Amino acid sequence: KNQVEQSPQSLIILEGKNCTLQCNYTVSPFSNLRWYKQDTGRGPVSLTIMTFSENTKSNGRYTATLDADTKQSSLHITASQLSDSASYICVVSANTGFQKLVFGTGTRLLVSP
Amino acid sequence: NAGVTQTPKFQVLKTGQSMTLQCAQDMNHEYMSWYRQDPGMGLRLIHYSVGAGITDQGEVPNGYNVSRSTTEDFPLRLLSAAPSQTSVYFCASSSRVLQGNSEAFFGQGTRLTVV
Repeated sequence: KNQVEQSPQSLIILEGKNCTLQCNYTVSPFSNLRWYKQDTGRGPVSLTIMTFSENTKSNGRYTATLDADTKQSSLHITASQLSDSASYICVVSANTGFQKLVFGTGTRLLVSP
Repeated sequence: NAGVTQTPKFQVLKTGQSMTLQCAQDMNHEYMSWYRQDPGMGLRLIHYSVGAGITDQGEVPNGYNVSRSTTEDFPLRLLSAAPSQTSVYFCASSSRVLQGNSEAFFGQGTRLTVV
């Protein structure tokens, strides 16, 4: 069964600190892996998309890594800001004619002043 | 820069009532889809469309209908609302190019409560 698991479920860090979120997946056939940020009461917003051949991608203070052999990904947030408080969702796309997206349950991050 | 627009943002229904959740996108995207988000679960696909006139079922289609008469609009109909359909619903759209690696854009969501 296609699954995406994320850890930790929740995380509290101090403003200015770094953190790393983890994602493990068992989705086949693999097309790409995405990280989304979802603010409370809003829709998910894309941070990065990585295909099989990419092992790192950055978007400002967000850096995602992908190890397709071990089926693991991480999202590293540098110098956190209060506005980083949100849920971060790992999503894996299956390689079908349509983007069949498999969503993780997310990591809820709280950045404390 | 409207992107994906969903209406309404909030709705309360009585069991057995029907309603339509609206979704419109102005990016000329071929792909559109509906998801529901429940506590402790990832978003789950309800129905999707790869173009006007073409729809298909996702993971949790029971109790919902869709149609795609235009590229821009993809309404989701609840035929007879049940408390189990209490959820937050998201519409998404994406382009068919890049062989499935294109970005998916989500609406702001509709929070539905069925009492």
